[in-house]
Amino acid sequence: DAGVIQSPRHEVTEMGQEVTLRCKPISGHNSLFWYRQTMMRGLELLIYFNNNVPIDDSGMPEDRFSAKMPNASFSTLKIQPSEPRDSAVYFCASSLRPPGEETQYFGPGTRLLVL
Amino acid sequence: QQQVKQSPQSLIVQKGGISIINCAYENTAFDYFPWYQQFPGKGPALLIAIRPDVSEKKEGRFTISFNKSAKQFSLHIMDSQPGDSATYFCAASTGYSTLTFGKGTMLLVSP
Repeated sequence: DAGVIQSPRHEVTEMGQEVTLRCKPISGHNSLFWYRQTMMRGLELLIYFNNNVPIDDSGMPEDRFSAKMPNASFSTLKIQPSEPRDSAVYFCASSLRPPGEETQYFGPGTRLLVL
Repeated sequence: QQQVKQSPQSLIVQKGGISIINCAYENTAFDYFPWYQQFPGKGPALLIAIRPDVSEKKEGRFTISFNKSAKQFSLHIMDSQPGDSATYFCAASTGYSTLTFGKGTMLLVSP
């Protein structure tokens, strides 16, 4: 079975450009999470969707970040305009049911470098 | 209140030794404590988890010890192997909340 799929795996862009990260969760999973990982801050939850509806976006750093989940099998995280401090690895994860004691299954991540 | 503090930041253990990673929390409402393992270039994956109704859970060479009164829990890796070299994250949640992760421990097991 396919796990969580993320694309692109690597992205290099220049400051000010728009960046779009994509995620396909595991089929049948109802919850989707976007995380950002850096050495300084570790794994930070950016936003969490349940049944395609954003439930908690308190981790989204600022208005430059936006996330959508138009259907159960696709989500995007967009950064516009991008800045060098956005350089990080971005993970998408999904779980069968809402969080709590549910196992989260992570994708391989998108390594973003903003020059 | 939501923080989970993890230590050490990095750890080097000889093959066959015991690796110990510690985590502490403040929120007494937390009732689920998983550990995730992350290999370089991969996403984290669930390794083992514990609920506070037990003080210890063992799966193979991996053991979680839980001290509810001290609000601490730890991961012990017995007979550590080079293949265990990875970053380990502790986490905590309540029955309905998202996971709060520690900052991670980079483990290197030397041959």
